[in-house]
Amino acid sequence: LAKTTQPISMDSYEGQEVNITCSHNNIATNDYITWYQQFPSQGPRFIIQGYKTKVTNEVASLFIPADRKSSTLSLPRVSLSDTAVYYCLVGDFALRDNNDMRFGAGTRLTVKP
Amino acid sequence: DTGVSQNPRHKITKRGQNVTFRCDPISEHNRLYWYRQTLGQGPEFLTYFQNEAQLEKSRLLSDRFSAERPKGSFSTLEIQRTEQGDSAMYLCASSFWTGGGLADTQYFGPGTRLTVL
Repeated sequence: LAKTTQPISMDSYEGQEVNITCSHNNIATNDYITWYQQFPSQGPRFIIQGYKTKVTNEVASLFIPADRKSSTLSLPRVSLSDTAVYYCLVGDFALRDNNDMRFGAGTRLTVKP
Repeated sequence: DTGVSQNPRHKITKRGQNVTFRCDPISEHNRLYWYRQTLGQGPEFLTYFQNEAQLEKSRLLSDRFSAERPKGSFSTLEIQRTEQGDSAMYLCASSFWTGGGLADTQYFGPGTRLTVL
């Protein structure tokens, strides 16, 4: 599984757009990029997943450049309830080798009023 | 609620005791994963099942840990002779894997927090 690097923490204010970038220089051809959100004492919650270019759903957008060595999660107009830890996960879940599946420490986003 | 459920939500035990956790995945999900998460860290993969078959275990997983998914539905994770270092949140996730090179989206349960005294 490709090792990922994210900022440890980020601060924002309500109503702003937040972009969290994840670096994954060793991403493999068959790897997908998935982002999860986690609140304290809860399991991670799936946000968005992509392979290349741009993916958008009702809660976020995911931007992936052509070389796929990084990805950016974009949260439009954040609110206080978006305060959480965000994890970037890269891997080919079609294969059987999940031994390197680690979420990393994630990015702790704090949204201020 | 049709999400992943885990029981118990909290477990306190003494060192050396055995504990068992249960996970009920989303109905008809064929894959079930177990993770462990310690404070300030992301989830760490432990093992996973496709239907009733345990396809993979973490190379770092102690032999005190065992998991089953006897009928391809719910799963149990047992830790024998618990140690203080086993204190963590144990997370279960499930997914519907269709193959064909598609990505596997996992849906997580709320976790079981284990405290070993």
